[in-house]
Amino acid sequence: QVQLVQSGAEVKKPGASVKVSCKASGYTFTSYDINWVRQATGQGLEWMGWMNPNSGNTGYAQKFQGRVTMTRNTSISTAYMELSSLRSEDTAVYYCARAAGWNRRDPWGQGTLVTVSS
Amino acid sequence: QSALTQPASVSGSPGQSITISCTGTSSDVGGYNYVSWYQQHPGKAPKLMIYEVSNRPSGVPDRFSGSKSGNTASLTISGLQAEDEADYYCSSYTSSSTPVFGGGTKLTVL
Repeated sequence: QVQLVQSGAEVKKPGASVKVSCKASGYTFTSYDINWVRQATGQGLEWMGWMNPNSGNTGYAQKFQGRVTMTRNTSISTAYMELSSLRSEDTAVYYCARAAGWNRRDPWGQGTLVTVSS
Repeated sequence: QSALTQPASVSGSPGQSITISCTGTSSDVGGYNYVSWYQQHPGKAPKLMIYEVSNRPSGVPDRFSGSKSGNTASLTISGLQAEDEADYYCSSYTSSSTPVFGGGTKLTVL
């Protein structure tokens, strides 16, 4: 079955960077975009950006421009999201999701909790 | 891009029907038939329930339906069941070529 499995929880200090991985299985990794979405505790969903695993092309939400980098390793069907210059407000669960069409995300990874604390 | 507007909470009794609204603008909901809905149980990842306004992925019960009128999209759940209690989020493609989410609605099954 189609599945996305993310890396484990991270604790980072302010100013550091974090890199979250998302391993795809059950489908051809290069055939679908990957979206990244985050959710602060008790808050709603926030779209961060997309990556095309075939071309490596990316598009980021304006809010994260300059701080986020989305990459992939097609040999192991894994996508990565790296967020730099972390601050406490970046504490959230980060999700990857397979994207089809213009606004269809299915399935989602299980989420990765990133905690930013001094 | 401002978040889409959803009611903070809705409730209904088992067997009843409820509708969750999602209001945007002509630059998002009103301008494109690319509205999707997600269900999220506590501590779990979101799950796609509706895409392209009214399409259900395989495996989603036909109790879930979506529609759109003008700048407002709606998710209707008929024959409410206890397991439907969750948070629901709408999302729309926008004229900025990026998606936007609604603030989320907590559904309580009484």
